[in-house]
Amino acid sequence: GAVVSQHPSWVICKSGTSVKIECRSLDFQATTMFWYRQFPKQSLMLMATSNEGSKATYEQGVEKDKFLINHASLTLSTLTVTSAHPEDSSFYICSAIGGYEQYFGPGTRLTVT
Amino acid sequence: QKEVEQNSGPLSVPEGAIASLNCTYSDRGSQSFFWYRQYSGKSPELIMSIYSNGDKEDGRFTAQLNKASQYVSLLIRDSQPSDSATYLCAVRAGSARQLTFGSGTQLTVLP
Repeated sequence: GAVVSQHPSWVICKSGTSVKIECRSLDFQATTMFWYRQFPKQSLMLMATSNEGSKATYEQGVEKDKFLINHASLTLSTLTVTSAHPEDSSFYICSAIGGYEQYFGPGTRLTVT
Repeated sequence: QKEVEQNSGPLSVPEGAIASLNCTYSDRGSQSFFWYRQYSGKSPELIMSIYSNGDKEDGRFTAQLNKASQYVSLLIRDSQPSDSATYLCAVRAGSARQLTFGSGTQLTVLP
């Protein structure tokens, strides 16, 4: 299957700072990428759909000014968590469509202290 | 009514048995169906996709789709302890890009 990478795999930051997470499709081009968040023992929650060359589409209840998404190329999307707070601590996972199938990156575990 | 429903489990089966995971969906326009496996603390991994009615086999895994009944299932033969994970059913409706996920079924294979 297709490979999606994420960087970093884990990050610890202080409250009030911003964190950028990168998502790359390694062996295919992805016009659409998705960003999910998952809290312990809970389901995946879709945060936004990232489209190359256009603005991201955010799910209801997700603050677009807090979670900045940039899909600058067909292989790279970034999620920036701005002014992070402890309640933003979570597992952030990106995903990309390759062909008909959707592949997930390994995830980024964010801890805000 | 949830769009994609799965029994949350936990489902426990002995090693070597067949594990049967079930999923129903509400949107009759759904065209694509997927099963993902998610180990604790890891991201989901695609294990099967199925697009037409009937069975699709891949190694120890068999996906079954019945669009008339709006039902998709995953059978795992000769279950191994390493199969212990949460299995997510996902459905893509018509022309939609994003998947709709079920809440997952937690499977434990007992040695």
